[in-house]
Amino acid sequence: EAQVTQNPRYLITVTGKKLTVTCSQNMNHEYMSWYRQDPGLGLRQIYYSMNVEVTDKGDVPEGYKVSRKEKRNFPLILESPSPNQTSLYFCASRQQGALGYTFGSGTRLTVV
Amino acid sequence: DAKTTQPPSMDCAEGRAANLPCNHSTISGNEYVYWYRQIHSQGPQYIIHGLKNNETNEMASLIITEDRKSSTLILPHATLRDTAVYYCIVRSGGDYKLSFGAGTTVTVRA
Repeated sequence: EAQVTQNPRYLITVTGKKLTVTCSQNMNHEYMSWYRQDPGLGLRQIYYSMNVEVTDKGDVPEGYKVSRKEKRNFPLILESPSPNQTSLYFCASRQQGALGYTFGSGTRLTVV
Repeated sequence: DAKTTQPPSMDCAEGRAANLPCNHSTISGNEYVYWYRQIHSQGPQYIIHGLKNNETNEMASLIITEDRKSSTLILPHATLRDTAVYYCIVRSGGDYKLSFGAGTTVTVRA
């Protein structure tokens, strides 16, 4: 089944403890992206990647890192999480061209 | 990306067609109209997209006006499972970013 898989689905962590949210897609898509969703603020893009080793900042990149060493994987790294990074996170991917994105099921992160 | 305007909410009766409007008066010639929906904190789901011709797939139909300044998403026979937030987005094919607005909260009632 064609899908974007995020792990974990739920995570509670403490301030300052480094964490990684994984994202993997099995559709050989070039483009991948991370979004966060907060009440009243909607979905906002954090980082995106056009292909392997090519990444760029979205609208809210502060406090996050990404890497794209393989085409299928696009992990989101929080080096020193803070409570304001408590949010619902989505990974998405799509093929080149004017096609729609496929989104993962989301990761609900709580930083205490 | 061009901005879009959608009504904040609408109700629809189960089994009836749901017509969701979207205004995008500043759309550029190379920008597509995309529709996504999000069902209660699940990942957004791509529905359909179009450039200037009307489009139909197994989920919905997309009607774009001739001047391309507005469009309508049609869910032909709404079910309770279609209750969701529907987002109308315009972007060019090469853009990497989806700019989500507030969308339209659609409630399908039995």
